[in-house]
Amino acid sequence: GESVGLHLPTLSVQEGDNSIINCAYSNSASDYFIWYKQESGKGPQFIIDIRSNMDKRQGQRVTVLLNKTVKHLSLQIAATQPGDSAVYFCAENPENTGFQKLVFGTGTRLLVSP
Amino acid sequence: SQTIHQWPATLVQPVGSPLSLECTVEGTSNPNLYWYRQAAGRGLQLLFYSVGIGQISSEVPQNLSASRPQDRQFILSSKKLLLSDSGFYLCAWSVVAKAFFGQGTRLTVV
Repeated sequence: GESVGLHLPTLSVQEGDNSIINCAYSNSASDYFIWYKQESGKGPQFIIDIRSNMDKRQGQRVTVLLNKTVKHLSLQIAATQPGDSAVYFCAENPENTGFQKLVFGTGTRLLVSP
Repeated sequence: SQTIHQWPATLVQPVGSPLSLECTVEGTSNPNLYWYRQAAGRGLQLLFYSVGIGQISSEVPQNLSASRPQDRQFILSSKKLLLSDSGFYLCAWSVVAKAFFGQGTRLTVV
């Protein structure tokens, strides 16, 4: 479900390091997952998605891993840059809602220091 | 390509005043439309979603309402704003499953 009343956890990394942001989801029927990046004062931007019939998907500098057994999703950012500093949200789109609404995770704030 | 427009970007309103935020989508037909609210430093709370003209689903009881008078227009309203209505309001659209967001409206109720 949605965790909208919680302060965001923060992950601090050095520029050039790899970052791993984790997300647990609750609905075992969820079929589709998305990672979003939200910079301060802006709307969330789509980063990468993955369907439940996949374990891994790669994009440019980003990789999403899906572990359906433990209902866990992670976003890996390679060679993290200061421009990657933002809040990252995972979202699940449960098939049992007819793909009609996204359910967002709590979000993680990523701070990249030079 | 598809675009989403949301306005105004910022808004300061007194308690008890009405509210109307508008969102329009271009370049797609029959999208699912959403209104989210985000308190400072927190996650996204789904307020309303719509799968078609005149079809509105409300996720949480609140002081707000939504309407969809046209296929690509989604409006968030209130008759009398409360202090607790302050926040960052985001409109989004989706077709199939992936959602795309507008740039948001920061509402401050004073």
